[in-house]
Amino acid sequence: DTGVSQDPRHKITKRGQNVTFRCDPISEHNRLYWYRQTLGQGPEFLTYFQNEAQLEKSRLLSDRFSAERPKGSFSTLEIQRTEQGDSAMYLCASSPGLAGGETQYFGPGTRLLVL
Amino acid sequence: DAKTTQPTSMDCAEGRAANLPCNHSTISGNEYVYWYRQIHSQGPQYIIHGLKNNETNEMASLIITEDRKSSTLILPHATLRDTAVYYCIVRDPGGAQKLVFGQGTRLTINP
Repeated sequence: DTGVSQDPRHKITKRGQNVTFRCDPISEHNRLYWYRQTLGQGPEFLTYFQNEAQLEKSRLLSDRFSAERPKGSFSTLEIQRTEQGDSAMYLCASSPGLAGGETQYFGPGTRLLVL
Repeated sequence: DAKTTQPTSMDCAEGRAANLPCNHSTISGNEYVYWYRQIHSQGPQYIIHGLKNNETNEMASLIITEDRKSSTLILPHATLRDTAVYYCIVRDPGGAQKLVFGQGTRLTINP
């Protein structure tokens, strides 16, 4: 069990650019979650997948944000036309789901800075 | 909104037990209490969770009151590496899948 991994760990971009983050969940975990955390706040839920199906999206996930999990394994989170307000830590978590348990295990996060 | 209330900050001496309280007076019968912690600039780390009974693992103990309206996370022998923000979260496994984080308790372990 190698844990949840995220790539890149840090990203600096200019306003208006597109960025994409990747999350690799713990092997065999069916559920994958994305959260966003701004400075001094707790993480806020963005979206979650059950296998490849995106089952819930937060109002925080504006139309500039899109998440995919095409084969039910790794996931990507893309932000188009980044804004300075997008600067945050983006966290990914996974859980076994259903009979395997609901505990979510988090990755190290991707810290985004939009200049 | 988070369904829990925690003190903003706490201090504890190294080697002593750290007792972190959490109020969840509106908890319903099938909601679990989860604890996570977040060390600076890292992702949240799962600690422990429980429903009704007290729970213990290699990291901590969780004491839930009989009426389930509050709980206490106990770190039996705190070390400097336990300095972190601790989050208490109430979650219904049959409901929304998301975790709703509050502000948490910033625990500082002093040498």
